[in-house]
Amino acid sequence: DQQVKQNSPSLSVQEGRISILNCDYTNSMFDYFLWYKKYPAEGPTFLISISSIKDKNEDGRFTVFLNKSAKHLSLHIVPSQPGDSAVYFCAATEEYGNKLVFGAGTILRVKS
Amino acid sequence: EAGVTQFPSHSVIEKGQTVTLRCDPISGHDNLYWYRRVMGKEIKFLLHFVKESKQDESGMPNNRFLAERTGGTYSTLKVQPAELEDSGVYFCASSPGYAHSDTQYFGPGTRLTVL
Repeated sequence: DQQVKQNSPSLSVQEGRISILNCDYTNSMFDYFLWYKKYPAEGPTFLISISSIKDKNEDGRFTVFLNKSAKHLSLHIVPSQPGDSAVYFCAATEEYGNKLVFGAGTILRVKS
Repeated sequence: EAGVTQFPSHSVIEKGQTVTLRCDPISGHDNLYWYRRVMGKEIKFLLHFVKESKQDESGMPNNRFLAERTGGTYSTLKVQPAELEDSGVYFCASSPGYAHSDTQYFGPGTRLTVL
């Protein structure tokens, strides 16, 4: 049973526009959420995170939004750049635990 | 500072053989994790070490998998005997602290192919 779902396997965006990646979760015990970015033949790299006590966290071009009532989070990249082309994984963890529960990933392609 | 390193980068073995994967965490990181990604699906947790102790091994698929972290430094993950469904990319990660919000830093992974 997948607790973290990324329903869009891929997304294609024009350079300079906004990229929006979505993630849904089912486990109400999750209280910390993360986005990782992965290039081919590399490991996932931490991008941005958000605690369940917040609804928004921003870091440069990257913003993560959390809607706890809908059990939904999204990652906004503005403006998108060709170097952002990668696989983006949504992940979550419970307060009393360290294991990350990942979604299946979304392939983002930013066209120049 | 060196990141998490994993060896080998690729391994191709036949069903029934044994393979040992190695992970060297970032120096000073007490927490070490193993994850696996099978056939482009989600990355799944296998287990978590705190120093040399297994804190959580709830994700280990079966007793063909054995993880060790002697001395609390590097870790090995042995698969014996390997089955076809063990193919995938095995990632190791490490983190410095004990809070669940501590960033986990991932290695490049070992791609295991079982024929």
